[in-house]
Amino acid sequence: NAGVMQNPRHLVRRRGQEARLRCSPMKGHSHVYWYRQLPEEGLKFMVYLQKENIIDESGMPKERFSAEFPKEGPSILRIQQVVRGDSAAYFCASSPSDSPGGYTFGSGTRLTVV
Amino acid sequence: KQEVTQIPAALSVPEGENLVLNCSFTDSAIYNLQWFRQDPGKGLTSLLLIQSSQREQTSGRLNASLDKSSGRSTLYIAASQPGDSATYLCAVRPSNTGKLIFGQGTTLQVKP
Repeated sequence: NAGVMQNPRHLVRRRGQEARLRCSPMKGHSHVYWYRQLPEEGLKFMVYLQKENIIDESGMPKERFSAEFPKEGPSILRIQQVVRGDSAAYFCASSPSDSPGGYTFGSGTRLTVV
Repeated sequence: KQEVTQIPAALSVPEGENLVLNCSFTDSAIYNLQWFRQDPGKGLTSLLLIQSSQREQTSGRLNASLDKSSGRSTLYIAASQPGDSATYLCAVRPSNTGKLIFGQGTTLQVKP
């Protein structure tokens, strides 16, 4: 079991470009969560998805950010027209269901906007 | 609104000491509470998960307690080692939600 896989590990984008972050959940996990960790700040929830469904996007910025978890393939967090303030570590977690179990986190993608 | 606070923000101890990290939360309506470890520039490693009906969990030198009524959890680390140096994060999962609410973390340094 490879765990939660995130790629790329590091991503550098120029201001105005698009960033695509990928997350493959653990085998058998159908729930995916994205969190952001800004420099010197704690982890903040962004979005919770099941296959082909957004369950809770209350933590997503209103503009430029979107997330999907298609029937086939990884979950994608997409940031359009990146700005310097988007520089952060983005973590993905997965769980097997919405029962109150624990989460498994990936190693994160560190986005740097130059 | 659920808020999670961790005290202290930073802690430095000599090797071999027993220590306690504190976590408090404002709303007792939770599914569970989870302690994580984060090394610099790395991801999160789950240490202990306590369900709302449980009072404590143990794993090796780690023991976590949960007092839901008072909104508190503690992580006890016995016989600390330099390899325990990391940031420790407490996170609660409120009832009827899938998300975790994290504290700001306690950064621990264990000196040889």
